Amino acid sequence: NAGVTQTPKFRILKIGQSMTLQCTQDMNHNYMYWYRQDPGMGLKLIYYSVGAGITDKGEVPNGYNVSRSTTEDFPLRLELAAPSQTSVYFCASSFPGQGREQYFGPGTRLTVT
Amino acid sequence: TQLLEQSPQFLSIQEGENLTVYCNSSSVFSSLQWYRQEPGEGPVLLVTVVTGGEVKKLKRLTFQFGDARKDSSLHITAAQPGDTGLYLCAGEGGNTDKLIFGTGTRLQVFP
Repeated sequence: NAGVTQTPKFRILKIGQSMTLQCTQDMNHNYMYWYRQDPGMGLKLIYYSVGAGITDKGEVPNGYNVSRSTTEDFPLRLELAAPSQTSVYFCASSFPGQGREQYFGPGTRLTVT
Repeated sequence: TQLLEQSPQFLSIQEGENLTVYCNSSSVFSSLQWYRQEPGEGPVLLVTVVTGGEVKKLKRLTFQFGDARKDSSLHITAAQPGDTGLYLCAGEGGNTDKLIFGTGTRLQVFP
């Protein structure tokens, strides 16, 4: 199993550009999550999904959109990039249930200039 | 809004020293997890505690969940350079499908 994979690893965007961060998992997990991590900080939840066709907002959803058409894929869309979106983005997945482990991808480092 | 505060924020110690990291909240959590994150990688789960007062040991690491399930601690005995990283606690609320992550403790262990 590859686990959780994310592409790209690095990206530089200009203000106002759009892009999609890709996330795929091969563990047949129902739940998937997108987090952002600012330098030296913890993780903040952007969006999450409990299954194909179901998504919900986390703590910091403004400026982002998601979709979940399959169990495996959970792309994150930035429509109009802003410098405040400069961060490292992590995708994670898990099974449902109390105390379930979240498995994280390697992250995408995004800079908006 | 549920918040998890970790202390200290930064910790630099010599190899062989002991240390304790704290994770505190005013909210009750149904379970609490500790993750470690190394530079350029995603967090990796160390342990999950679910019962108030629970203590779990992983080699030199001891994790405790507070009796009221509002706080947790991580104690490392005889720290090694390989323990260097960002330690994150994460709490699971009652009826949510989400984890609330703490603010993080960055540990540096010098040889």
